[in-house]
Amino acid sequence: GAVVSQHPSRVICKSGTSVKIECRSLDFQATTMFWYRQFPKQSLMLMATSNEGSKATYEQGVEKDKFLINHASLTLSTLTVTSAHPEDSSFYICSAPEVNPDTQYFGPGTRLTVL
Amino acid sequence: GENVEQHPSTLSVQEGDSAVIKCTYSDSASNYFPWYKQELGKGPQLIIDIRSNVGEKKDQRIAVTLNKTAKHFSLHITETQPEDSAVYFCAASIRGDKIIFGKGTRLHILP
Repeated sequence: GAVVSQHPSRVICKSGTSVKIECRSLDFQATTMFWYRQFPKQSLMLMATSNEGSKATYEQGVEKDKFLINHASLTLSTLTVTSAHPEDSSFYICSAPEVNPDTQYFGPGTRLTVL
Repeated sequence: GENVEQHPSTLSVQEGDSAVIKCTYSDSASNYFPWYKQELGKGPQLIIDIRSNVGEKKDQRIAVTLNKTAKHFSLHITETQPEDSAVYFCAASIRGDKIIFGKGTRLHILP
């Protein structure tokens, strides 16, 4: 199947700093990508929909000024966690739907730890 | 919006026996129902999916059934093996759109 990559796989940062996470579709183009957050032993919660060439759509309760999303090209979306705090520590996962076949593929995730 | 309920939250089965995980969804417009397996520290891996125009799909030891009228869908794993131990998520979406996940089932295969 298609491949979605994320970089970095894990990152540790100090409180107050910003962290950028990249999501790439390696062998297909994706006009839409999705960003999820997963806390330990919980399910994946959708944060936002990243749209190539336009603004991201955020789910209720997700601060758009804190979680900046940029869909720079048909194969790349970035999530920047601004002014990170310990409560932002989580597993961030992106996904991208492939049109043909109609299937959605997930990246391997990025483990963010804010000290 | 869509809401997906998943049961049980934890399931232990003897190696070689079958495991069944059940889910319900709320939005009748949903037409794509994937199942994901997640191992510790990794992203979810698609194991099987079903679209609303079929009622059952099978891939080796894994099968999924869908009852659109009742808004139920289930995952069946037969002849379970130790490597089947993981967390399994059901999900629902309108094709190409955001996927809404169930809360997950932690499956333990007992030796």
